[in-house]
Amino acid sequence: GAGVSQTPSNKVTEKGKYVELRCDPISGHTALYWYRQSLGQGPEFLIYFQGTGAADDSGLPNDRFFAVRPEGSVSTLKIQRTERGDSAVYLCASSSTSRGGYNEQFFGPGTRLTVL
Amino acid sequence: AQSVTQLGSHVSVSEGALVLLRCNYSSSVPPYLFWYVQYPNQGLQLLLKYTSAATLVKGINGFEAEFKKSETSFHLTKPSAHMSDAAEYFCAVSGRRGSYIPTFGRGTSLIVHP
Repeated sequence: GAGVSQTPSNKVTEKGKYVELRCDPISGHTALYWYRQSLGQGPEFLIYFQGTGAADDSGLPNDRFFAVRPEGSVSTLKIQRTERGDSAVYLCASSSTSRGGYNEQFFGPGTRLTVL
Repeated sequence: AQSVTQLGSHVSVSEGALVLLRCNYSSSVPPYLFWYVQYPNQGLQLLLKYTSAATLVKGINGFEAEFKKSETSFHLTKPSAHMSDAAEYFCAVSGRRGSYIPTFGRGTSLIVHP
């Protein structure tokens, strides 16, 4: 079956522009996560969805970052007024959900964002 | 609060030699611990996880890790390195309730020489 997919694989934009990054989770996975991985660092949590709602958005660095998941499947991470410091690989992961237990997160290949 | 420290940003071994990647964690609650591997241009893949069962955890590709509470460590080992093991390895920790969102270390790049 298909894994987590992310589009585009690479995105180059200019400072101040708006970008959207898309994540297609594994079919049936209700939980979806966004992470940001800067060069030489581990993934850093941004936001977590359970179904359509953002259950935890404590990792979003500021109000330029926003994410949606309107139908509980595909998610879009939106970045307004991009800055050079936003350059990173943005990772998406999904997992199934069961009450009270850990479920493995499956990661997509990421979108490499470069802000010039 | 939780954090992970991975000692050594790069580890170099010869093919056939022992692999040891170090991870120390800090957590205010009993942790879940993970090792992920990332090959170039691919997503992270779970190697193994500790979720409070056996302290010695066996994962894929011959890797294993031992949870040592007294040392707050979760080092990753493999008896004999293979060229295909060359990749970036990440240790991660999460709490045992809620969304299990992991906190990742900075990663260790494993280099395998022929």
